[in-house]
Amino acid sequence: SQTIHQWPATLVQPVGSPLSLECTVEGTSNPNLYWYRQAAGRGLQLLFYSVGIGQISSEVPQNLSASRPQDRQFILSSKKLLLSDSGFYLCAWTPGGGYTFGSGTRLTVV
Amino acid sequence: KNEVEQSPQNLTAQEGEFITINCSYSVGISALHWLQQHPGGGIVSLFMLSSGKKKHGRLIATINIQEKHSSLHITASHPRDSAVYICAVYRMDSNYQLIWGAGTKLIIKP
Repeated sequence: SQTIHQWPATLVQPVGSPLSLECTVEGTSNPNLYWYRQAAGRGLQLLFYSVGIGQISSEVPQNLSASRPQDRQFILSSKKLLLSDSGFYLCAWTPGGGYTFGSGTRLTVV
Repeated sequence: KNEVEQSPQNLTAQEGEFITINCSYSVGISALHWLQQHPGGGIVSLFMLSSGKKKHGRLIATINIQEKHSSLHITASHPRDSAVYICAVYRMDSNYQLIWGAGTKLIIKP
């Protein structure tokens, strides 16, 4: 079966610290992978998407970066977190249509 | 103006009531997605549709491509239906990227 794993579930990090969120997909190959962010009280915003290994497209200029070192692994990173990076981060994948979401990471930058 | 508009923004109803949430969009789409986000943040896909009507349990989704409008209905609403319901559309020219509505926060009172 096809599943998506995302961790950690919650994270509290000080301003200026690095960030690494990981997402892995099982049961499929060559998925399209996405990172979304939801700020408090707002809708989902697409941050990055990837159609293959090493292929990353950025939707919004920001303090974050993404990498796809393996076919089914998608990583969201930051070298120095800002307060405005707080939010709910969701990884998603699609084999070409319907979306499946990870359980999300709630990041609080303090 | 947002490309995907949802109404109402907030909806409070009594248990048992028939619920309707509306979604209008202004772009050409290949399909429309209805999703449910629970208070903890997790997102579940409810429907993906490109024409007509779909039903799953007490949930019904309809779409009118000519009018660029979709509705999500909940029959015999229950407090466990309380969640944020999000409409999102696949743009015709996109790589399966979604354009998101802002969501409708639904509260069903017992």
